[in-house]
Amino acid sequence: AQKVTQAQTEISVVEKEDVTLDCVYETRDTTYYLFWYKQPPSGELVFLIRRNSFDEQNEISGRYSWNFQKSTSSFNFTITASQVVDSAVYFCALSEAPGGSYIPTFGRGTSLIVHP
Amino acid sequence: DTGVSQDPRHKITKRGQNVTFRCDPISEHNRLYWYRQTLGQGPEFLTYFQNEAQLEKSRLLSDRFSAERPKGSFSTLEIQRTEQGDSAMYLCASSLGGGEGITYEQYFGPGTRLTVT
Repeated sequence: AQKVTQAQTEISVVEKEDVTLDCVYETRDTTYYLFWYKQPPSGELVFLIRRNSFDEQNEISGRYSWNFQKSTSSFNFTITASQVVDSAVYFCALSEAPGGSYIPTFGRGTSLIVHP
Repeated sequence: DTGVSQDPRHKITKRGQNVTFRCDPISEHNRLYWYRQTLGQGPEFLTYFQNEAQLEKSRLLSDRFSAERPKGSFSTLEIQRTEQGDSAMYLCASSLGGGEGITYEQYFGPGTRLTVT
C-alpha cells in the first residue's frame, strides 16, 4: 500500500529565509508518480509539480526547487527567499501506476507560515 | 474561467437531511475525482470516474453517499441522511486520462464546505 509522510506539521520562518518541506513515501511499485500541491488560506489546492519515478533529476522553477531521491524515498521541496505569499499548507502526494490505481494518496500536509 | 467549479461553496444542513453537490470539471478532462478533507488532514479519496463510468470507490464512501457523472461531464455527489460526522470540505478534481501507467496531475475546484448541525 502506498503511504506519504510529511513529518513537519508546521514551519514558521521569517521572510527571505530558505525553507525545506520534507516528504517521505512508501510504495511497492517501481513506477509511480509524486506530486506537490499548495493550499493557500483561500482553500483551493494548486498543483505545483508532478514527477515520475524514472526521472530523478532535480527541478527548479523560480524560487521553488524539488529534490527527488529514490534511495531515501524522499521528494523534498525547497522554497528559496520565502515570501509572505508562500504561507499555505503544502501537500505531497503519491500515485502508483501499473497495477495500482490512479488515485493519489496525500500526506497530512505541512503548514508554512512566513512572517514579514 | 476554465477551471474546476463546484456548487454550492457552502452548505449548512440539519442532521438527517439530504444534500447534493455539483462539480464541473475542466472540459477536456475525462477523469473526475471526489475527495473529503477535514481540518488538519490531506484530501481523502472518495470516488473516481473515467468519463461516465465510476471506476473506484473508497471504503469511506458509505451507502449514504452516491455519485454520478451521467454524461461524462459534470458530476454530482449526494449524501443522504446526513450526520454530524459528514461535516467537511468536499473537493472535486479533474485530470487528463493517460494510457496504462500514466497518472496526470489533478486540478481542484474550490470545494464545498458542508456543515451538519
